[in-house]
Amino acid sequence: QKEVEQNSGPLSVPEGAIASLNCTYSDRGSQSFFWYRQYSGKSPELIMSIYSNGDKEDGRFTAQLNKASQYVSLLIRDSQPSDSATYLCAVQVGGNKLVFGAGTILRVKS
Amino acid sequence: DTAVSQTPKYLVTQMGNDKSIKCEQNLGHDTMYWYKQDSKKFLKIMFSYNNKELIINETVPNRFSPKSPDKAHLNLHINSLELGDSAVYFCASLGQETQYFGPGTRLLVL
Repeated sequence: QKEVEQNSGPLSVPEGAIASLNCTYSDRGSQSFFWYRQYSGKSPELIMSIYSNGDKEDGRFTAQLNKASQYVSLLIRDSQPSDSATYLCAVQVGGNKLVFGAGTILRVKS
Repeated sequence: DTAVSQTPKYLVTQMGNDKSIKCEQNLGHDTMYWYKQDSKKFLKIMFSYNNKELIINETVPNRFSPKSPDKAHLNLHINSLELGDSAVYFCASLGQETQYFGPGTRLLVL
């Protein structure tokens, strides 16, 4: 069973702080990794993808990947109340199949 | 213009009934998916079709039957509904980078 694990949270951070979300995966052959954001009652939406070891930055978001440690993380700088959502880590396994983690609830308090 | 659409948005029905959920994408993608998201927000793949051909069939009760009349449509028929089928069902379409989700169908079985 290929698994993706995340801390369910909730992770609470004050407005303006850095939120750090973490994910580990079991399939060493995985090459593509994604972070989705899901607001309550809405569908998941892609916010970051990463394929190579290291960091990838997009605005306030930075994805970090360490394939040796089978670890992927998402940093959100200058967190805003509008960032409050569930963040889903997804790992592509075997073709076009995504395996999702259970998600981490992020709460940004103003 | 909605990229991935689903109908109905809400579905409330009695145990034992049969129901269908429809999905359409106007993105020109070849591959579509059905996911189930339970009350704990865990998003799990059920089926995937590529250009009308079934390519992923996870461990799902055979009461669930997908049908793809063409590559833009993927429907899900559920026979003999059970209480445990209550969940949000998401359709998704595979783009160049990752999957794009429909708005979800909230199914409640009473």
